[in-house]
Amino acid sequence: EVQLVESGGGLGQPGRSLRLSCTASGFIFGDFYMNWFRQPPGKGLEWVGVIRSKAYGGTTEYAASVKGRITISRDDSESIAHLQMNSLRSEDTAVYYCVRGPAMSWGQGTLVTVSS
Amino acid sequence: DIVMTQTPLSSPVTLGQPASISCRSSQSLLHSDGNTYLTWLQQRPGQPPRLLIYKVSTRFSGVPDRFSGSGAGTDFTLKISRVEAEDVGIYYCMQVKQFPYTFGQGTKLEIK
Repeated sequence: EVQLVESGGGLGQPGRSLRLSCTASGFIFGDFYMNWFRQPPGKGLEWVGVIRSKAYGGTTEYAASVKGRITISRDDSESIAHLQMNSLRSEDTAVYYCVRGPAMSWGQGTLVTVSS
Repeated sequence: DIVMTQTPLSSPVTLGQPASISCRSSQSLLHSDGNTYLTWLQQRPGQPPRLLIYKVSTRFSGVPDRFSGSGAGTDFTLKISRVEAEDVGIYYCMQVKQFPYTFGQGTKLEIK
């Protein structure tokens, strides 16, 4: 069974950093792009960024709203993806989802609240 | 960026009756590889999204056959042949043809 478990969410102060993790199991992690999406409370879904599989260079793409402030990385040996968020803003408050492929499997999400 | 527009935004439906949601993209979702990258997601209350349909009309594993997708180019439709209580939630279309992936606003399906 495919499982994706996000962790690392919580309260972050404006301007500070937070690192989210996504631990995967039940599939060959290294074969898949890993995406991050987010959903502000009561609002719709937004794509945040992606890291390609090593077969496709392991490169990343980011949404304009977060570009320059986030870094997505992966450790295929541990089946973990990370989302490093810097210079946090109030508008980053959302549930963050780790997703296998474009939309195949979703984690339960981890809530990030940015507030002083 | 590709803009996705869904209609209606709210859909009250009687149990056992059909439901239909439309999605339009600002540019064609037909990729040079011959596939059309339009995806439908379901989000039940309090749950993460779940993949229902990809590449316009292919149901994901475990999705009941009362869900079907159709369309081409820029116009797409999700149909539920007979709505059940467990279908309540918000439905999103999403294009995965190019980055940034973009979503429709979501359609709230509720029971009359």
